[in-house]
Amino acid sequence: GENVEQHPSTLSVQEGDSAVIKCTYSDSASNYFPWYKQELGKRPQLIIDIRSNVGEKKDQRIAVTLNKTAKHFSLHITETQPEDSAVYFCAATPSGGSYIPTFGRGTSLIVHP
Amino acid sequence: EAGVTQFPSHSVIEKGQTVTLRCDPISGHDNLYWYRRVMGKEIKFLLHFVKESKQDESGMPNNRFLAERTGGTYSTLKVQPAELEDSGVYFCASSLLAGAGTDTQYFGPGTRLTVL
Repeated sequence: GENVEQHPSTLSVQEGDSAVIKCTYSDSASNYFPWYKQELGKRPQLIIDIRSNVGEKKDQRIAVTLNKTAKHFSLHITETQPEDSAVYFCAATPSGGSYIPTFGRGTSLIVHP
Repeated sequence: EAGVTQFPSHSVIEKGQTVTLRCDPISGHDNLYWYRRVMGKEIKFLLHFVKESKQDESGMPNNRFLAERTGGTYSTLKVQPAELEDSGVYFCASSLLAGAGTDTQYFGPGTRLTVL
């Protein structure tokens, strides 16, 4: 089955700095990679996703990159703000079967004002 | 549009007791998923319904867990009898299209289960 590794487990940055969270996956059949943000006490929410036919996708201050050959993908947040503080989860979803995503362990991002 | 709702938000029970968690997906969503997250670990898949049918239950830990989705609307997840290792946050998610791997999953707020 799929295995997703996510690093770091905790990331502490100063407001205005950039933050990068990295994930690797094992199953070359995975072709859809969503990222979820879970603020304290709230539900995980999709913030950005990327499909395997695309190498990079941007949405304002967040971007995701995908390297299919190396089987890794990353979330980049620029100009971080305190409201970016949350737990971020990456996931890899296969192209067939029951399309069940495999999640990483999460990264706790803390943005200090 | 109402999001995915879950009840209760918290549950504290003794080992050996029974607990039933409920999930109401977004109206019209065929797919309903149950996940569990133990502190500090990944969000782990438990099972997947398409309408009222169990599509994939490969993630269910053992036969102490029973999930139902009668009528293809809300779903329940019963743990009987509960063990200490069942503690964690149970998430429900729903998505619109059956068989669509890139369909966005919308999560509920989770039920935090503590087994003492």
